[in-house]
Amino acid sequence: KQEVTQIPAALSVPEGENLVLNCSFTDSAIYNLQWFRQDPGKGLTSLLLIQSSQREQTSGRLNASLDKSSGRSTLYIAASQPGDSATYLCAVKRKGNFNKFYFGSGTKLNVKP
Amino acid sequence: ETGVTQTPRHLVMGMTNKKSLKCEQHLGHNAMYWYKQSAKKPLELMFVYSLEERVENNSVPSRFSPECPNSSHLFLHLHTLQPEDSALYLCASSQGASGETDTQYFGPGTRLTVL
Repeated sequence: KQEVTQIPAALSVPEGENLVLNCSFTDSAIYNLQWFRQDPGKGLTSLLLIQSSQREQTSGRLNASLDKSSGRSTLYIAASQPGDSATYLCAVKRKGNFNKFYFGSGTKLNVKP
Repeated sequence: ETGVTQTPRHLVMGMTNKKSLKCEQHLGHNAMYWYKQSAKKPLELMFVYSLEERVENNSVPSRFSPECPNSSHLFLHLHTLQPEDSALYLCASSQGASGETDTQYFGPGTRLTVL
């Protein structure tokens, strides 16, 4: 069974700081790993998708890496802003059941002005 | 309208009521999903439909009944719910393909409160 863990559960940083969110998964047989952002009471918005054959993806101030062999991914946020405050979730799409995505519990980020 | 829409956005119901949640996707996807999100818990997958056929049912109580009349619409029928069923219910869709690029697109959710 695939289990996804995110550390830390919550993070509070001052504006401008660079930060790293961590995601780990137990089964390396995955199609892809995705990072989402969720604002309070809202749906999830996709930030970055890393295919299993890729090592990283970048979008603006966000950079996500994937180490499939060790079952780890990191989301790097550069020069954090108050608008980055949200919960960040990672999800993996496991091979063998292509209709199923496994989610972590998320990291709740607060960026203080 | 584009993306994934959900109605209603908020719902308050008594334990003896019957109500339905609606989800519609305008992305031409083949798979649709219902998730439950409770406070401080991971997203819980409830149901998956692929090409209108239910392919996953994660041991969800029978008081939740899904319906997928076509590939664009998904319903969740609710009856005799319990207060612990109060949560944010999220709908998502994806191409449903086996490839590496398949990703899920989420609706805004329905905030359900059971009194």
